Amino acid sequence: EAAVTQSPRSKVAVTGGKVTLSCHQTNNHDYMYWYRQDTGHGLRLIHYSYVADSTEKGDIPDGYKASRPSQENFSLILELASLSQTAVYFCASSQDWGNYAEQFFGPGTRLTVL
Amino acid sequence: EQQVQQSPASLVLQEGENAELQCSFSIFTNQVQWFYQRPGGRLVSLLYNPSGTKQSGRLTSTTVIKERRSSLHISSSQITDSGTYLCAMEQGNTDKVVFGTGTRLQVSP
Repeated sequence: EAAVTQSPRSKVAVTGGKVTLSCHQTNNHDYMYWYRQDTGHGLRLIHYSYVADSTEKGDIPDGYKASRPSQENFSLILELASLSQTAVYFCASSQDWGNYAEQFFGPGTRLTVL
Repeated sequence: EQQVQQSPASLVLQEGENAELQCSFSIFTNQVQWFYQRPGGRLVSLLYNPSGTKQSGRLTSTTVIKERRSSLHISSSQITDSGTYLCAMEQGNTDKVVFGTGTRLQVSP
């Protein structure tokens, strides 16, 4: 069964601090995604990647960087965390290039910025 | 503007009743996926339904792309079905996925 794991599962950060969220998949999938979920907004795409060493901006990339050092790993980086970045973050992976393919999600990371 | 609308926003049922969840979208897409989000957050893929009707157990999804709608039917609801149901789809050929805001289902004994 496809597996996507995230770490940490929850984190409390201070405003202005650096936060790194990690995602690891064992699906051998090319695509990986980072979403954030907020009440009233559903899930929104932050960054995604379709190949190692390359990332693409999603719909709400401001304030976030992404890194894809290998096919299996995809990180989301908040260089200067802000209160507005308090949310639940989900990582996902999918197989196909060019056409939407079924996505598999990690368990989520709850980030609280104080 | 919300590109993917779901209705109802919330639904309360008694155990054994059926549920009909709707997803309508304004974007061009040819792929729709339904998710279940457990209380506590974990997202689980329910049905991946590009078009037509697809069934998995008590779940049936019908997607009519040209009418820009998809539905999820849950038969004989159970208490453990409680949670949030999300539809999602690719936006055109952009590789970006757009989610609806969800339907919160509560099933009571």
